[in-house]
Amino acid sequence: EDQVTQSPEALRLQEGESSSLNCSYTVSGLRGLFWYRQDPGKGPEFLFTLYSAGEEKEKERLKATLTKKESFLHITAPKPEDSATYLCAVQARGTGNQFYFGTGTSLTVIP
Amino acid sequence: NAGVTQTPKFRILKIGQSMTLQCTQDMNHNYMYWYRQDPGMGLKLIYYSVGAGITDKGEVPNGYNVSRSTTEDFPLRLELAAPSQTSVYFCASSYSGHTNEKLFFGSGTQLSVL
Repeated sequence: EDQVTQSPEALRLQEGESSSLNCSYTVSGLRGLFWYRQDPGKGPEFLFTLYSAGEEKEKERLKATLTKKESFLHITAPKPEDSATYLCAVQARGTGNQFYFGTGTSLTVIP
Repeated sequence: NAGVTQTPKFRILKIGQSMTLQCTQDMNHNYMYWYRQDPGMGLKLIYYSVGAGITDKGEVPNGYNVSRSTTEDFPLRLELAAPSQTSVYFCASSYSGHTNEKLFFGSGTQLSVL
């Protein structure tokens, strides 16, 4: 069964304290791995798509990387406005258009 | 730009009542989706549509119905509401179902069934 597991569930960082969020997946043929950001009371907002092991994408203080079993979202020198829930999703071969979402990591950045 | 618009934002239903969650998008996207999000659970796909007149079941379709008469609109119907349907519902759209097509989400509908 295709699965997506995110860790940790919650993370509190001091402003400027870099860290990483993890997304591990077990799918029978990865078509794409997606990262989304979700603010309270809002829908998820797209951040990155990764397709193959070794691929990296960057946006401001965020950098996403992908291996054959997991993806990391690295946050460098975070600011309070980076506080949000970060969701990981995978799309597997043979599943049509279905995306399988993890439960997310709730990030709080303290000034 | 409006993007994906969902109404209502909040609703309380009694057990056995019915309602329709509305979703409309103005991006001319072919693909539309309905997800539910429960605490501690990932987003679960209820139904999706690849174009007007075409719909298909997702992971958790029981208790729900959809229709897609136009490209813009994709309403979700709850018949005989049950407490298990208490959740936050998100509508999403994408231009196609290819892997390079990100999902655009609405702001959600918080539904409580009491």
